[in-house]
Amino acid sequence: SSELTQDPAVSVALGQTVRITCQGDSLRSYYASWYQQKPGQAPVLVIYGKNNRPSGIPDRFSGSSSGNTASLTITGAQAEDEADYYCNSRDSSGNHHVVFGGGTKLTVL
Amino acid sequence: EVQLVETGGGLIQPGGSLRLSCAASGFTVSSNYMSWVRQAPGKGLEWVSVIYSGGSTYYADSVKGRFTISRDNSKNTLYLQMNSLRAEDTAVYYCARAMDHEGAFDIWGQGTMVTVSS
Repeated sequence: SSELTQDPAVSVALGQTVRITCQGDSLRSYYASWYQQKPGQAPVLVIYGKNNRPSGIPDRFSGSSSGNTASLTITGAQAEDEADYYCNSRDSSGNHHVVFGGGTKLTVL
Repeated sequence: EVQLVETGGGLIQPGGSLRLSCAASGFTVSSNYMSWVRQAPGKGLEWVSVIYSGGSTYYADSVKGRFTISRDNSKNTLYLQMNSLRAEDTAVYYCARAMDHEGAFDIWGQGTMVTVSS
C-alpha cells in the first residue's frame, strides 16, 4: 500500500509564508487533501482537489502539486494557524484504501 | 445543519467487542462515501474503513477481519462493529463524509474514545 511522508515540524514567523509538503507515490495519481487539527478537536478540511478551499477557509491557504509532492502554503500565517496539518489521498494500489501522512506540527513564532 | 455525531466509545477489555454509531443530519448517509478514521493518543490520523454509496466496503489491513462497517438507511446512521479488540485499537474514532473519490473528507464528527485495556 501507499505511504505519505510529511516533515514532523515546521515553524514560521507571524505574517510570513510557510509551505508544508507531502510526498508519496499515490500523489502521482490522486490529489492530496489537507486538514488542520487543533488540540482536542476534530480535523478540518482546508484544501482539496487541485486547489479548492471549503467554505469558510481563509484564502491565505492554498494547495499545489508536482509529481509525487503536494504542498500546502499559508501566505501570511496567523497565530490561529498554529496546529497539526495532515495530508491524505486515495491509495493508488487499487485497494480502495485511503492514506494519511504522519502530520506536520506548525508553530507560529 | 450538516453534522455527524458519534457514540458508543468506552473502556473495553482486550478481546472484547464494541459497536460505534455515527448519526448524520443534514445529508443522507447512503448517498455518500462514509469512512471511519482513528487517532491513537498523541499520534496521527489512520484511515480504518469505507462504505461506498453502492454498499461496497473496504478495510485497513490492521482491522480487516475484525471490524465491520455498515449503515442503517432508515436511521441515517453509520456503524463500526469492532471485535477481537486489541490494546493498539485504543484511539479516538471519527466518522467522516468523503466529498469525492480521492479521499477528501469534508464533514467530521467530534470523535468517540475507545480504550482497550484490562
